[in-house]
Amino acid sequence: DTGVSQDPRHKITKRGQNVTFRCDPISEHNRLYWYRQTLGQGPEFLTYFQNEAQLEKSRLLSDRFSAERPKGSFSTLEIQRTEQGDSAMYLCASSLSETSGTQYFGPGTRLTVL
Amino acid sequence: AQRVTQPEKLLSVFKGAPVELKCNYSYSGSPELFWYVQYSRQRLQLLLRHISRESIKGFTADLNKGETSFHLKKPFAQEEDSAMYYCAPIPEGYQKVTFGTGTKLQVIP
Repeated sequence: DTGVSQDPRHKITKRGQNVTFRCDPISEHNRLYWYRQTLGQGPEFLTYFQNEAQLEKSRLLSDRFSAERPKGSFSTLEIQRTEQGDSAMYLCASSLSETSGTQYFGPGTRLTVL
Repeated sequence: AQRVTQPEKLLSVFKGAPVELKCNYSYSGSPELFWYVQYSRQRLQLLLRHISRESIKGFTADLNKGETSFHLKKPFAQEEDSAMYYCAPIPEGYQKVTFGTGTKLQVIP
């Protein structure tokens, strides 16, 4: 296990298209987080899972965003009907629940919406 | 409202000079505080957490509950310290990490 991985690393799409990103956490980590980061800002929390349960969603996450972690392992983040404002770096992180502040981040998926 | 502030977007220091990256927070209770770092073309990673009270890469951070600050310090900056630094509190009894806007540290040779 080489750490948290994300796929794809880059995605360019046209406005209105749907996109899906995948995150594979560190295998023994039961917590998985999604963040969005735009230029000049720190990561903004989007949602997190404890095993397969989605425990919190940010108000930033509109109805066009959905995340799943069906078997408590990998997770997907889908954005429907993308808008130019969705262009950002999408980060995934994982942790153990006992040490939830100690998060291990993936390399991110950079989304560009044209 | 819960808030974390990193007042400096950019901090430039000469190699060998002391460094202090400021972080102020506004949280009820006793949050747990972290510093994360992102080196150029690398992923975000944990630098240190206040509970551990340890020094990592020469950096230390003291939690000042009276001033609600958690400043990151290093006595002698090195060129390899150049990076983005994010202060990140977790509210007491809660799970979500909130990141500050970050400070870019630039160490001038």
